[in-house]
Amino acid sequence: DAGVTQSPTHLIKTRGQQVTLRCSPKSGHDTVSWYQQALGQGPQFIFQYYEEEERQRGNFPDRFSGHQFPNYSSELNVNALLLGDSALYLCASSSLRAQNEKLFFGSGTQLSVL
Amino acid sequence: GENVEQHPSTLSVQEGDSAVIKCTYSDSASNYFPWYKQELGKRPQLIIDIRSNVGEKKDQRIAVTLNKTAKHFSLHITETQPEDSAVYFCAARGGKLIFGQGTELSVKP
Repeated sequence: DAGVTQSPTHLIKTRGQQVTLRCSPKSGHDTVSWYQQALGQGPQFIFQYYEEEERQRGNFPDRFSGHQFPNYSSELNVNALLLGDSALYLCASSSLRAQNEKLFFGSGTQLSVL
Repeated sequence: GENVEQHPSTLSVQEGDSAVIKCTYSDSASNYFPWYKQELGKRPQLIIDIRSNVGEKKDQRIAVTLNKTAKHFSLHITETQPEDSAVYFCAARGGKLIFGQGTELSVKP
């Protein structure tokens, strides 16, 4: 039973570029949440996807967008990268349909913006 | 907006002692309170959770207590071991799952 998988593990970009991060949820899960974790901080909620729609959103600008596919996998896109976007991006999955709110995290994508 | 405050930010204990981490939340609609452990360079892992209809939950050396009236909840680790050293995060869910800032626990042999 595969857990939550994320790709790539590391990424280096320059200011102004765009990036796409990918996430496959744990088997049996239908909901994907994305978090940004700056060094020494707690995870900050970006948004959550269920049934291919953005269900909830945190205080992040429109430069952050996402998508969920019919197989429940998800992408996080960030446009016009800023130095401050450098962080660990965590994907977490759960099962809304099963009313199981336990969140399981992937290992994250470490994004560095130069 | 929703907010979760966590204290202390760092905690150092001797092996075998107890450790207590406290969190307060602002959203009175919060009904689910998980705790995560994150070792250096690794993913956060769920160690225990509690729902608002329960005041206390225990799993071996780990326990969580919840005071809904005061809007605070705590993690208790007894008989600490060096492998308990990590960053611990509390979280609260009303609509969104909001995390605290973390507590770096160091258990000295």
